This record gives sequence, C-alpha cells and structure tokens, in this order.
Amino acid sequence: EPEVTQTPSHQVTQMGQEVILRCVPISNHLYFYWYRQILGQKVEFLVSFYNNEISEKSEIFDDQFSVERPDGSNFTLKIRSTKLEDSAMYFCASSRDEGNTIYFGEGSWLTVV
Amino acid sequence: KQEVTQIPAALSVPEGENLVLNCSFTDSAIYNLQWFRQDPGKGLTSLLLIQSSQREQTSGRLNASLDKSSGRSTLYIAASQPGDSATYLCAVTPANQAGTALIFGKGTTLSVSS
Repeated sequence: EPEVTQTPSHQVTQMGQEVILRCVPISNHLYFYWYRQILGQKVEFLVSFYNNEISEKSEIFDDQFSVERPDGSNFTLKIRSTKLEDSAMYFCASSRDEGNTIYFGEGSWLTVV
Repeated sequence: KQEVTQIPAALSVPEGENLVLNCSFTDSAIYNLQWFRQDPGKGLTSLLLIQSSQREQTSGRLNASLDKSSGRSTLYIAASQPGDSATYLCAVTPANQAGTALIFGKGTTLSVSS
C-alpha cells in the first residue's frame, strides 16, 4: 500500500541552526501538508501546499518556516534558526484531493538543544 | 474558533468488550471528520473518514457516527483486542475556511488487557 515517507526519523540540532525535514508524499496525491505534535499536546496544523504554492497556513507557520517541492516527488519543510520550543514530532501528510482521506507519514522527531 | 474535545482521555477495558469513544466539536460547519489511530512514537493511521453529509462509516470492527448538528461523533469498537491499544484521535476539517487543515482533539488513550 502506498505510504508517505519521511526522513530523518530523528534529528538533534543546536539552537540557532537550520533544519530541513524531507517527505515523499503518495505519488498520485495533489495536496501536501505539514503538522507538528509537541510532546503530550495536540497535533497542530502548520501548512498546506497545492499546485506548487501554499494554500493555507497557521499562525505557527511564521517567517521561520518555509516549504518547497523541489522536484516531482519531494516535499520539504525548512526551519531557520531553530529554537528550543521547535522540539516536536513533525508529520508530513498528503491527500488526493480536498475532502479526501489525509495520509500521514511516521514523523520526524526534532530535538533542539 | 473550532475546538475539538475527546472524552475520556484514557480508557482501560478487558479484551472482548465493546466500547465507545467520544468526540465533540464546537462549530457544526465542517467538511468532514476523520478518526485516526496513533501508536506511541509513531505516525497517524487513518481509520475512517465521514463526510458532512454522511451519518456513519464502517470498517471491520469499527463504526463511526456523525451528528453534525449537535457537534458529536462516536467511534465504536466491537470485540476489543489487545492490538487495539493505542491513542485514537478525532479531527475535523472546518467548512468556513478556504483550506484543508485538520483540527485535532487531544485523543483517547485506549488500553485493552488480555
């Protein structure tokens, strides 16, 4: 069964460094997303991406964050100048269309020290 | 602002028991509601998707219902098994936003003992 794959599974970075989290969405899906889950808290929406542009973003997704689809298969989340409070599990997800089931990857656990 | 609440926060049952997990949302204007399963330290696995025009969806031992007007959904698990132990998350897509963002509840952590 097709799945969303994410790399790395776990990354430790120093405060102030830049991090890039990578995702390969399901191949025939058109909508891509990033969510995050701080330990013990709710899963929170960050951004959705469609037709090579951001279609929606939350208040969390400020200038520190950016997304890119550099080629036909990868979808990346860049976090500039990481802060301690950026430590969380970051989930990539995709869906075939609006209103369809959203499929999540296994997550990238980011620890900022 | 849409808020999603799940009750109870945790539930322990013996194997074989039928159980119900509850989800409520404050704004009935939704596109759909989705139930997920999350194992510790893992990603989210989609279980059932209910469109706003639907009343229920079934998959195997799982049945999800939706009462949009009252802002409620339930996930019914029949004949529970130890392998059902996980956190179950409910999420809605608001209809009053131009987008597809899911708003999640905090989840119900289920433990099924053998």
